[in-house]
Amino acid sequence: ETGVTQSPTHLIKTRGQQVTLRCSSQSGHNTVSWYQQALGQGPQFIFQYYREEENGRGNFPPRFSGLQFPNYSSELNVNALELDDSALYLCASSSVATYNEQFFGPGTRLTVL
Amino acid sequence: AQKVTQAQTEISVVEKEDVTLDCVYETRDTTYYLFWYKQPPSGELVFLIRRNSFDEQNEISGRYSWNFQKSTSSFNFTITASQVVDSAVYFCALSDDQTGANNLFFGTGTRLTVIP
Repeated sequence: ETGVTQSPTHLIKTRGQQVTLRCSSQSGHNTVSWYQQALGQGPQFIFQYYREEENGRGNFPPRFSGLQFPNYSSELNVNALELDDSALYLCASSSVATYNEQFFGPGTRLTVL
Repeated sequence: AQKVTQAQTEISVVEKEDVTLDCVYETRDTTYYLFWYKQPPSGELVFLIRRNSFDEQNEISGRYSWNFQKSTSSFNFTITASQVVDSAVYFCALSDDQTGANNLFFGTGTRLTVIP
């Protein structure tokens, strides 16, 4: 069984740029959630995708957007990057059958200069 | 509003000591789930336990045990006979049904250092 994978591992961008982060869900999982974890903080929920539709969103501005593809993989897009967007971005997948059990990927470390 | 408080920012213990990590939560929902995750230096969150709001039985899994008390809105985690490999940041999290997305609300974490 393949776990959750994320790419890239690390990324450095400058303020104002746009970034796309990718996530492949665990085999059999059709729900993907994205979290932002600032240094020294707990992860914060950005949004969740189920069957290619956004299924809940946290307190993040519209410049944070996402997609889910038919194979359940997902992308997180952030436009107009700000310094405060520097964080570890975590993707988690789950299935309807185990809706509350989220399995996390290793994360993408984004640094905005 | 949902809130998870982990008042202990950092804890250091000597190997083989027992240690308890505290977690206090707030929610208006009657149906909710509580979780503990471990985050080693590699960064990946490792699932440890899930408990639903209707199951107040304490649970033991090897050296790990959890004490869920609805009366005090607490879900504490104890590691018995700690080992160096237990060194990590531990997060308590809450998930409710209000948003329909079952997203997780995390506390700020407790960094545990086990000294050999």
